[in-house]
Amino acid sequence: GAVVSQHPSWVICKSGTSVKIECRSLDFQATTMFWYRQFPKQSLMLMATSNEGSKATYEQGVEKDKFLINHASLTLSTLTVTSAHPEDSSFYICSASRPKPGQGGYEQYFGPGTRLTVT
Amino acid sequence: DAKTTQPPSMDCAEGRAANLPCNHSTISGNEYVYWYRQIHSQGPQYIIHGLKNNETNEMASLIITEDRKSSTLILPHATLRDTAVYYCIVRAPNFGNEKLTFGTGTRLTIIP
Repeated sequence: GAVVSQHPSWVICKSGTSVKIECRSLDFQATTMFWYRQFPKQSLMLMATSNEGSKATYEQGVEKDKFLINHASLTLSTLTVTSAHPEDSSFYICSASRPKPGQGGYEQYFGPGTRLTVT
Repeated sequence: DAKTTQPPSMDCAEGRAANLPCNHSTISGNEYVYWYRQIHSQGPQYIIHGLKNNETNEMASLIITEDRKSSTLILPHATLRDTAVYYCIVRAPNFGNEKLTFGTGTRLTIIP
């Protein structure tokens, strides 16, 4: 159980266009989902925290008008990169969390990532 | 969330136990220790987490020192597929804001 999917797995788009990435929790409901970005040979950097039915909370330095996040249901969150530029080329990873029964704390399950290339 | 310190890289022979250390000397009483790993070009994979007791699951064992200032992730019989970057993260459970802060991790290479 606890599978998170992302679609597409990779995408190439032209500079100035927008691209939408979907993140789905397939077999559990996730009140909270997270979006990360990872540049080559670097660690994951959190972009935003998304709660179902409310506005996302963005990390410092992340432009909320450029990276639009929608969390319309307990199993789906979307990230739209608007007016993409080559510097937005990166590996985008989402995660979904759920309480771990009996042990306390939370498990956060990650999607396989989406590689975005902006030409 | 408390900071963690991990060695940047480690090698381990295939079939041997891989022991990955993590220092978290500023950990607070309610903070858990989490371990994730990331195989190249994939999303991170949850491995295990614990508060103060040692934990074991089908993937690994987590040994936390009595003072909780350090921990060790043990992969009992490493295989080539265990080659990945391993991240040790400490954080307090806070429903609705349980974000993870990834450090640089340890790049574990399993050698045939």
